[in-house]
Amino acid sequence: DQQVKQNSPSLSVQEGRISILNCDYTNSMFDYFLWYKKYPAEGPTFLISISSIKDKNEDGRFTVFLNKSAKHLSLHIVPSQPGDSAVYFCAAHLRSQGGSEKLVFGKGTKLTVNP
Amino acid sequence: EAQVTQNPRYLITVTGKKLTVTCSQNMNHEYMSWYRQDPGLGLRQIYYSMNVEVTDKGDVPEGYKVSRKEKRNFPLILESPSPNQTSLYFCASGKDSRKAYEQYFGPGTRLTVT
Repeated sequence: DQQVKQNSPSLSVQEGRISILNCDYTNSMFDYFLWYKKYPAEGPTFLISISSIKDKNEDGRFTVFLNKSAKHLSLHIVPSQPGDSAVYFCAAHLRSQGGSEKLVFGKGTKLTVNP
Repeated sequence: EAQVTQNPRYLITVTGKKLTVTCSQNMNHEYMSWYRQDPGLGLRQIYYSMNVEVTDKGDVPEGYKVSRKEKRNFPLILESPSPNQTSLYFCASGKDSRKAYEQYFGPGTRLTVT
C-alpha cells in the first residue's frame, strides 16, 4: 500500500519557467510533508516542509502548496534553473500514538531543466 | 562541518558473509534512521532510533539489525546478506523527536551481494 505517490517519474522544463512537481497521499494522519532533492551519487537534501495545518510555505524560489481535502501537495520552483535538475522526493511524516516516528517517501520525480 | 558519514561507500560481498555499514553524525541529533533506495521503489525505511538504546523497525526490517549504543553512531548489520539486499543504503539523522521529519542524509553506501 503506497501511502505517498508521485505519479510522474520525470518532468522536463525550460530554464526560467515554472516547475510543478506533484504528490498525493492517502493517510490523513500525516502531520508534516516534505520535499527532498537528490543529485546523483549524493544523499537526499532537505528542501522545504509544510505542516498539515498550513496550506502554503515559501522559501525563495520554492513554494509548497498543500490541499488537505484532496490529499495533494505540490512543489513549485520559479524560476527554474539548470542546477535544479535532480530527483525530487515527496515525503510525509507520521507520528504514532505510541511515539514512534517515520518518514514515508514517494518514488521520486526526475526534474530536468533545459538551458 | 555538520555531516552524516557512512562507511564504506561501496561494498561488494558474497551471500552469507556478515557485514556492517557504519553511520556517524556530528550534529548531536537524537533521531537516526536507515533507508534503502531501489529502482522504482523510492526510499524505504529499514530501522530507526529515537535515541540511545531505543530502536524500532521501519517498513523493510527483515534481514537487518541495528544498534544505538552511542548518540552519534547507528551501524547497520547484515548478519547473512542475500542478493535481494543489493541496494543503495542511506543513513539519516534528525534533530530531535519534534523535528524528526527534517532529516539529514549521508552520501550513501552502494552494496552488491553476489
